[in-house]
Amino acid sequence: DAKTTQPPSMDCAEGRAANLPCNHSTISGNEYVYWYRQIHSQGPQYIIHGLKNNETNEMASLIITEDRKSSTLILPHATLRDTAVYYCIVRVAGTASKLTFGTGTRLQVTL
Amino acid sequence: DVKVTQSSRYLVKRTGEKVFLECVQDMDHENMFWYRQDPGLGLRLIYFSYDVKMKEKGDIPEGYSVSREKKERFSLILESASTNQTSMYLCASSSYRGGNQPQHFGDGTRLSIL
Repeated sequence: DAKTTQPPSMDCAEGRAANLPCNHSTISGNEYVYWYRQIHSQGPQYIIHGLKNNETNEMASLIITEDRKSSTLILPHATLRDTAVYYCIVRVAGTASKLTFGTGTRLQVTL
Repeated sequence: DVKVTQSSRYLVKRTGEKVFLECVQDMDHENMFWYRQDPGLGLRLIYFSYDVKMKEKGDIPEGYSVSREKKERFSLILESASTNQTSMYLCASSSYRGGNQPQHFGDGTRLSIL
């Protein structure tokens, strides 16, 4: 699986959009980008994933650059409950295989 | 919504005990996984299963076994608990449809071995 690089921490004011970047410059053509988050003392929560097109669901939007070397997770209206560690993962689709989380980005949403 | 339910949020056991951690998913997923998560070590895969009665070792299977008698249930067994198995245990499941389906996690069991 391709390596990802994320900033260690970010702050965001409540109600504003949170834009979390991820670099994955060694991504290959059959690798998807997945985003998870983990709120303290809870299990990881799946947010969204995509291959090359931008994706949106009820939680967030995923913007993948045309060369696929980076992506941005957008939480459109951050709330205090969005405070968590966010993980960007790149992996090949296929049979069951393990997830490997990097160090992620600790997002702090403030009043 | 996908629901992965782990039987206990917190569990305290003694060294040498046989410990059972249960996980149930309600989405008819083929794949199920057991991880442990420790500070500084991230997620580590213990075992996974891609079908009933099928199991595959992950990266750290020593001291653990698993059972999958029904599609919705995947059990992790600590044969003889030791203090180095104190950890957060996470169960996950995923569908094989399309091959790119995400893993969905339970809330975890924080296990302490005394």
